[in-house]
This record gives sequence, C-alpha cells and structure tokens, in this order.
Amino acid sequence: GNSVTQMEGPVTLSEEAFLTINCTYTATGYPSLFWYVQYPGEGLQLLLKATKADDKGSNKGFEATYRKETTSFHLEKGSVQVSDSAVYFCALSVGDDKIIFGKGTRLHILP
Amino acid sequence: EAEVAQSPRYKITEKSQAVAFWCDPISGHATLYWYRQILGQGPELLVQFQDESVVDDSQLPKDRFSAERLKGVDSTLKIQPAELGDSAMYLCASSLYRDQGEKLFFGSGTQLSVL
Repeated sequence: GNSVTQMEGPVTLSEEAFLTINCTYTATGYPSLFWYVQYPGEGLQLLLKATKADDKGSNKGFEATYRKETTSFHLEKGSVQVSDSAVYFCALSVGDDKIIFGKGTRLHILP
Repeated sequence: EAEVAQSPRYKITEKSQAVAFWCDPISGHATLYWYRQILGQGPELLVQFQDESVVDDSQLPKDRFSAERLKGVDSTLKIQPAELGDSAMYLCASSLYRDQGEKLFFGSGTQLSVL
C-alpha cells in the first residue's frame, strides 16, 4: 500500500540554523508529493508540492526535491526563523486516490 | 483570501451523547473532505464528497458516524453515540477538483473531547 514515513519530532533548532526534515514514501504507481504545515491553532496549509521525479517544490525559503531513486522528499530550509515553528506533514497521493499524510514533525525554533 | 469555515472550534461532551460538526467550504469547491487527526498523528480521511455525493467513506465508522452534504455546499458530520476514543481534531477541507494532486484548503478544525 501507499505510505509516508517522516522523522519523529520534536526538532529544536536555533534561529538561522539549517533545517532538514526527512520524508520517505512507499507507493504503487507515480505519486504526487506534498509538504503541508500546521501553525498553532490553525488548519493545515500546503507549503509546497512536486508531481514528478526530479521536480523541486519551493515556497517561503523551503525546498524539497522529488527523488525517485531514494523514494524521498526531504524538506530543507537554509536559515530558519522563529515564525517557522509549526508541525510539518509530508504527504502523497496517487492519481485520484486519497492523500495520505505522515505523522507530522513538530519544529521548535529558539530565538 | 477565502477560507474553509468550521464550527464549533471546541466541543466537550460526555460519552454516549450526540455531537455534530459543521463545515462551509470555499465557494465553488466541488470536493469536500472530513479528516480526523488524533494527537501526534497525521490526518486520516473519514469521508469525501463530490458535490452532494459520497465518493469515499471507507474509513468512516458507519455504526456511529454519519455525514451529509445535502445541497452540495456545506456539510455536517455527526457522531452518535460519542465514545472516549473519538476525542480528536476533526478537520474539514475542500478542493476545486477531485484530483488529489490539487491543493487542499483546510479549516481550523473542531477539537472534540469526550469525557
């Protein structure tokens, strides 16, 4: 079946540090891959997505590259800010099938 | 920017009672989803509507949960009777098309506590 595995949190970093949140997937077929972010007290919102191998999604300084050979979609940011503190969800969908979310990774950024 | 509206924001109830949640999707969005998010987990799809029709309710516990979208616009999710294990965040989302590659817009959710 289709599934997503992401690194467990919480992840705690100092402001301006480099961020990586690992995500790997298992899928039948060719999935679209997503990162959603959930800020405190809010619903999830799409951060970025990639729909085919080698695509790079980017938004708000975050990037993730669709790596078919390693079945990965790691989230990176070069210099995090306190305002990036949130829960980050890796997700995938295959065709019209429902989106499957990972368990989420809580990120704390210290000033 | 248009938003998905949900109410109530919080709900506390006793087990065996009935509860209902309401969702108003973004205007024009044909596809509506109800998700359940247990603390520390990712959202899990309970039911998906395309206009007023259910297209996926395979994970909906139908002995106690029901969902409707009578006019293909807003939607209600009901639990009767509530059980302790139903305590979770219930999220509504909508998208313009059924294609799951499309961006989902989420509401802020209803936090349910069953005592």
